Amino acid sequence: GAGVSQSPSNKVTEKGKDVELRCDPISGHTALYWYRQSLGQGLEFLIYFQGNSAPDKSGLPSDRFSAERTGGSVSTLTIQRTQQEDSAVYLCASSLKRPQGETQYFGPGTRLLVL
Amino acid sequence: DAKTTQPTSMDCAEGRAANLPCNHSTISGNEYVYWYRQIHSQGPQYIIHGLKNNETNEMASLIITEDRKSSTLILPHATLRDTAVYYCIVRNGGGSNYKLTFGKGTLLTVNP
Repeated sequence: GAGVSQSPSNKVTEKGKDVELRCDPISGHTALYWYRQSLGQGLEFLIYFQGNSAPDKSGLPSDRFSAERTGGSVSTLTIQRTQQEDSAVYLCASSLKRPQGETQYFGPGTRLLVL
Repeated sequence: DAKTTQPTSMDCAEGRAANLPCNHSTISGNEYVYWYRQIHSQGPQYIIHGLKNNETNEMASLIITEDRKSSTLILPHATLRDTAVYYCIVRNGGGSNYKLTFGKGTLLTVNP
């Protein structure tokens, strides 16, 4: 596709429910990143994929968060047993090859609200 | 990565050039200067980047001083849709610099 796409664009869920957020990177981009951005805050790195493997999961806040990537393309970020503090904009980005030094292109984000 | 300093906010008249400064006095030789912007309620948008030469693309121009300690992003003909927070960051080509972090940035308001 022309850019990074994410779905859903908005998600409202109840505390304790599980949610899945999807990211479609730019075609041909092998590196994929998940970030989150709380209201008025900066970017918080969550995880990065090179192909289907995740060399760096260091930013995942807890074991309720997991992510996978299949076919070197689409990625899904899953949050289990959501909490109110999980409310944020979840951003996905992709870059062409190796992550170091490559320009990251962001999607529009998924706005998650946990009630 | 080197720290950057940007003004908190700037105003620009529609149709005029917007010149956004950034100081990065501790930049090292292998660090690039990147600019992103974030329009309200949207994801960050890549604008331009450069190492030491001035760069231009369809969105903007980037002017980097000879000593590389500062740079200016130029939007040649600002429109209302250019109202956004603009982030200047410096990144090197190795390590874990893929973890992008944005500072406070500059809120550019383009006025009619």
